[in-house]
Amino acid sequence: GAVVSQHPSRVICKSGTSVKIECRSLDFQATTMFWYRQFPKKSLMLMATSNEGSKATYEQGVEKDKFLINHASLTLSTLTVTSAHPEDSSFYICSARLAGWYNEQFFGPGTRLTVL
Amino acid sequence: GENVEQHPSTLSVQEGDSAVIKCTYSDSASNYFPWYKQELGKRPQLIIDIRSNVGEKKDQRIAVTLNKTAKHFSLHITETQPEDSAVYFCAASSRDFGNEKLTFGTGTRLTIIP
Repeated sequence: GAVVSQHPSRVICKSGTSVKIECRSLDFQATTMFWYRQFPKKSLMLMATSNEGSKATYEQGVEKDKFLINHASLTLSTLTVTSAHPEDSSFYICSARLAGWYNEQFFGPGTRLTVL
Repeated sequence: GENVEQHPSTLSVQEGDSAVIKCTYSDSASNYFPWYKQELGKRPQLIIDIRSNVGEKKDQRIAVTLNKTAKHFSLHITETQPEDSAVYFCAASSRDFGNEKLTFGTGTRLTIIP
């Protein structure tokens, strides 16, 4: 199956700093990537849909100025958590989908963010 | 938007018995229904999926059924093994203003008792 990598796997930062998370599709081109957030023992909540070369579409309640998403190429999307606070601590997972509708999403391994 | 409900939230079964997890969805336009298995701290892994033009799909010990009229779909795991213990999520794929996205159920923690 298709492989999606995510970096870093874990990050600890101080309150007020910004953190960038990278999501890469290693062996396929992903016109669409997705960013999810998962709290402990909870489900995956979609934060935004990222289309290559265009602005991301954010879900209701997600602050686009706080969670900056860039999808500059067909294999890379980045999520930057700006001015992070302890409540931003979570497991962030990206996924990438092959071109076409209703196709499987391949998930990255996730990034555990801890904001002190 | 789409709303997906999943039951039960926890499920314990004896090794070798069957496990069934049920989901309902709200958007009749949803056409793709994947099931994911997630182990602690790991990424979700697709275990089976079904599209709206079929009612049932089977892959070895795992099967999924879909009832579009009632808007519900179920995961069936037979001959359960300890390695089946994990959290399982159902999802439904819908289109929202031209974007296709997955809405996940709340998850079922499955424990296989040896």
